[in-house]
Parts: sequence; C-alpha cells; structure tokens
Amino acid sequence: AQSVTQLGSHVSVSEGALVLLRCNYSSSVPPYLFWYVQYPNQGLQLLLKYTSAATLVKGINGFEAEFKKSETSFHLTKPSAHMSDAAEYFCAVNYNNAGNMLTFGGGTRLMVKP
Amino acid sequence: KAGVTQTPRYLIKTRGQQVTLSCSPISGHRSVSWYQQTPGQGLQFLFEYFSETQRNKGNFPGRFSGRQFSNSRSEMNVSTLELGDSALYLCASSLGRSETQYFGPGTRLLVL
Repeated sequence: AQSVTQLGSHVSVSEGALVLLRCNYSSSVPPYLFWYVQYPNQGLQLLLKYTSAATLVKGINGFEAEFKKSETSFHLTKPSAHMSDAAEYFCAVNYNNAGNMLTFGGGTRLMVKP
Repeated sequence: KAGVTQTPRYLIKTRGQQVTLSCSPISGHRSVSWYQQTPGQGLQFLFEYFSETQRNKGNFPGRFSGRQFSNSRSEMNVSTLELGDSALYLCASSLGRSETQYFGPGTRLLVL
C-alpha cells in the first residue's frame, strides 16, 4: 500500500535555527506532494506543493522543500525559525492523479524555543 | 474570495444518533473532499465528490455517507454514531482533478 512517512512526531528548535522536517513517500511514480500546516483549533493551510516542475519548491512564510526522486523524499526546510512557526506540519501525497484523494503522513509537531 | 466554510463548528451527540455536517466550497470549486482527523489514526480520507458524483471513497464503513448538491455544497452523514467517531471532520475544496485542496476549519464532533 502507498504510504507517507514523517520522521519525528515532535521536533524542537531554537528561534533563529534551521527547521528541517522530513517526509518520505512510497511510490514508483512521482506523485503530487504537499506540505500543510495546522495551527491549534484550525484547519489545514497549504504551505507548498510539488507537481513535477522545479524540484525545489518555495512556499509561504519562508518555507521550501526539495523533491528528491532517488531518495523518495520531500523534506521541508526553513533557514530561520520564528516563534510563530510553532504548529503541526503534515506531508501529503496525491497518488491518484484522477482525483483528489490525499494520503497524509502522521504529522510533525514543531516547537520553537525562545 | 471567501474560504471553505463548515457548519456546525462543534457538535455533541450520543451513541446511536446520526449527524449531518455541511461544507460550502470556495466559489467556483467543483470538487469537495472529506477527511477525518483523530489523535490515533491521524488524517484519513473519507470521500470525494465532483459534480455531484462520488469519485473516490476511503476505507470507512457504510455508516459514513455523503452527497454533493448542484451548487457544489456538500454534506456528510454518519449514522448510528460510535464513540470512535469522535473526531475533527475536515472538508476541502478544489477547482478540479489533481488541483490543490483548500481546507475549511473543520467540525469537531464529540460522541458521548
């Protein structure tokens, strides 16, 4: 079965430090890939998406992600963490290009220390 | 443009009852998908509707059903509620196939 794995359910960084959230997918065919963020008591907000154009994708709030087919990875990074980045982050893939069914990873809760 | 709206935002029901949740997509969006979010199972796909037709269905029992109206608004229904149905139910809309999905704030359902 197709799956999405996010390594680390909790990640803690200091304000100003690099943020790296990991995502690996299982597929022989590159899917569409997404990163979403969820703040407490809210829905999901799209950060960025990969749809087979550039392998380095820039998103909102200074986040970016790099698609690496050889590693089946789509890790999310931000050079300098801000307190407002504290939230839960979800990697998602769309394997079914005929529809909109998203398969989500388990999520990573990012904590930012002052 | 207004975002995806979901009503109600919070709901408390008892076991055995049924519940209907509503989702209004972004204007012009024809696809609506539903997801269930729980601490134990995470985010799971329920079903997707496009132009009033169910296009995909997740691995949920038949107690979970949905429909889409001609104005693209969608409802999902859960019959014979169980304690395990307590969750945040998220609706997402998109323009069409394989397009970016935009999520609503969710309906938090508590089953007692």
